[in-house]
Amino acid sequence: EVQLLDSGGGLVQPGGSLRLSCIASGFTFNNYAMIWVRQAPGKGLECVSSISSGGTGTYYADSVKGRFTISRDNSKNTLYLQMNSLRAEDTAVYYCAKRDPTTAYGMDVWGQGTTVTVSS
Amino acid sequence: IVLTQSPATLSLSPGERATLSCRASQSVGSNLAWYQQKPGQAPRLLIYDASNRATGIPARFSGSGSGTDFTLTISSLQPEDFAVYYCQQRTNWPLTFGGGTKVEIK
Repeated sequence: EVQLLDSGGGLVQPGGSLRLSCIASGFTFNNYAMIWVRQAPGKGLECVSSISSGGTGTYYADSVKGRFTISRDNSKNTLYLQMNSLRAEDTAVYYCAKRDPTTAYGMDVWGQGTTVTVSS
Repeated sequence: IVLTQSPATLSLSPGERATLSCRASQSVGSNLAWYQQKPGQAPRLLIYDASNRATGIPARFSGSGSGTDFTLTISSLQPEDFAVYYCQQRTNWPLTFGGGTKVEIK
């Protein structure tokens, strides 16, 4: 079964750090670009960061540039999001998703989401 | 690229036809996808490249449009179709989503 399992969320104080992980199974992880998408409480979807299949190409939303770092370990089938200098506005459910070229890089498989709460 | 979805809420009865709109602030060609999200769940890919159904998506879902104006049509609403729908463009980074259309039971 094709699956993404994301984890690492929690409660953190403003200015703190968290590292999210997303473990892939059921497909050849190193063949696919991946993305982190977040959803603030009661709000819409925002693409936070994306990474190419080999890890050499990375992209960030302006709202997180310089604070978040996306990476992947293809030997462990795992995607990461290192989040530093967290702000209250980073509070959201964070989803990892697979981008499939056969669906024009649509996000065809999603994790269940991990909740990040930034509050003092 | 800003995507504007309308209406914000659509109140319909099961069996009725739903027509959802997504307008882009500049041309995205056919690089547009649609997603469905139910409460407490991750989004699900419905349509890619404006008009292609993703694997396992029922034929009652169809997409059309190109350039700046796009439509998602649900031909006959089923009880499981009441949800929030988002469009998303992949022409430029940052990839962006529209604000969503909630399809609710009338």
